[in-house]
Amino acid sequence: SQQGEEDPQALSIQEGENATMNCSYKTSINNLQWYRQNSGRGLVHLILIRSNEREKHSGRLRVTLDTSKKSSSLLITASRAADTASYFCATPDNYGQNFVFGPGTRLSVLP
Amino acid sequence: DSGVTQTPKHLITATGQRVTLRCSPRSGDLSVYWYQQSLDQGLQFLIQYYNGEERAKGNILERFSAQQFPDLHSELNLSSLELGDSALYFCASSSHRAGKLFFGSGTQLSVL
Repeated sequence: SQQGEEDPQALSIQEGENATMNCSYKTSINNLQWYRQNSGRGLVHLILIRSNEREKHSGRLRVTLDTSKKSSSLLITASRAADTASYFCATPDNYGQNFVFGPGTRLSVLP
Repeated sequence: DSGVTQTPKHLITATGQRVTLRCSPRSGDLSVYWYQQSLDQGLQFLIQYYNGEERAKGNILERFSAQQFPDLHSELNLSSLELGDSALYFCASSSHRAGKLFFGSGTQLSVL
């Protein structure tokens, strides 16, 4: 099955800095999604980008998708301590029936 | 609040026992997904139901089973529990195939 792999596994930055996380996947997809998970809580959908889109913005979030490289990036600008969480990319499986999540990037934003 | 309700929030049980986890999807969502999250395995897809029918199966053990009822709520049954089954179990719902997922807050299962 397809799987996104996030990179880096962990990231530690200061408040106000930008955080960039990357996701690589293996086969063609029609969309890619990013989710956030605060420790021990449920995942929260952040943004969905379709295969015909190259960039999408939502508040301080910017997501890019490069289908030729099979990769996506999530940029969080002007980070805050409240952004501390794990971030996951998710891609549909080969049958488009369910989502495969990568291992995630643990982001720590230090005050 | 995602609109997805999972009960119970915490469950402590012993090896060999059987438990049932319950999920109520968002109003109007026909798809329900079950995921298992553990430190060593990450977030693993278990099974998906759509309007009462099983649609996709992932890494679900034979000791585990699920169903979706006519009112669209779903239950995940875990039997002959082992220590390694200790994990966070999430339910998610979606209004259509491969769309945005809305996750519940999870059930933390501890098998002692």
